[in-house]
Amino acid sequence: AQKVTQAQTEISVVEKEDVTLDCVYETRDTTYYLFWYKQPPSGELVFLIRRNSFDEQNEISGRYSWNFQKSTSSFNFTITASQVVDSAVYFCALSEYHHSGGYQKVTFGIGTKLQVIP
Amino acid sequence: DSGVTQTPKHLITATGQRVTLRCSPRSGDLSVYWYQQSLDQGLQFLIQYYNGEERAKGNILERFSAQQFPDLHSELNLSSLELGDSALYFCASSVGTGGLSYTFGSGTRLTVV
Repeated sequence: AQKVTQAQTEISVVEKEDVTLDCVYETRDTTYYLFWYKQPPSGELVFLIRRNSFDEQNEISGRYSWNFQKSTSSFNFTITASQVVDSAVYFCALSEYHHSGGYQKVTFGIGTKLQVIP
Repeated sequence: DSGVTQTPKHLITATGQRVTLRCSPRSGDLSVYWYQQSLDQGLQFLIQYYNGEERAKGNILERFSAQQFPDLHSELNLSSLELGDSALYFCASSVGTGGLSYTFGSGTRLTVV
């Protein structure tokens, strides 16, 4: 079974605070990919990052950082010094090869709505 | 602009009606994916086409159908619409069959009244 859990449905922080969005996944495969997408109020889905299961190096991109820990099946996303423009819904997703179908199956979490208050 | 074009952006229609949503993938991408995003269900995968052929099927209702044309654009047909079909419908595209490099369109917001 494939499952992505984003336990935090809504988070509010004050501007300049750091915030971490949690993502826990379940998979039986050893090869898989994890993603984060951002959906701002305008509605479009914006790709943020993709990691494969063999690369546990943490990644930093400006104020964004991602912590991938296979031991806890987590792929958490931290925004440092949050800004109002970070207000959006953030989705974590898992891509796993569907052996019987011969395709990559992508499952999205329910999303975490982040509100950054000025 | 992601390169994936979805039309129309908004659609309001009555129950029982049929609508067609259109998606043009990013140049060079052969796969098209359709997703439904509703308030209570999150992002649900509906169907994938690769180079004109159906590749994978998700939680797509029988009232819904899709196809991908020789020019690679895709259409999602929704019929006998119900109030619960109101949602944001996203199209995404990728080069190959794998969902490793999705590019999403801006979505079509469907409201069934």
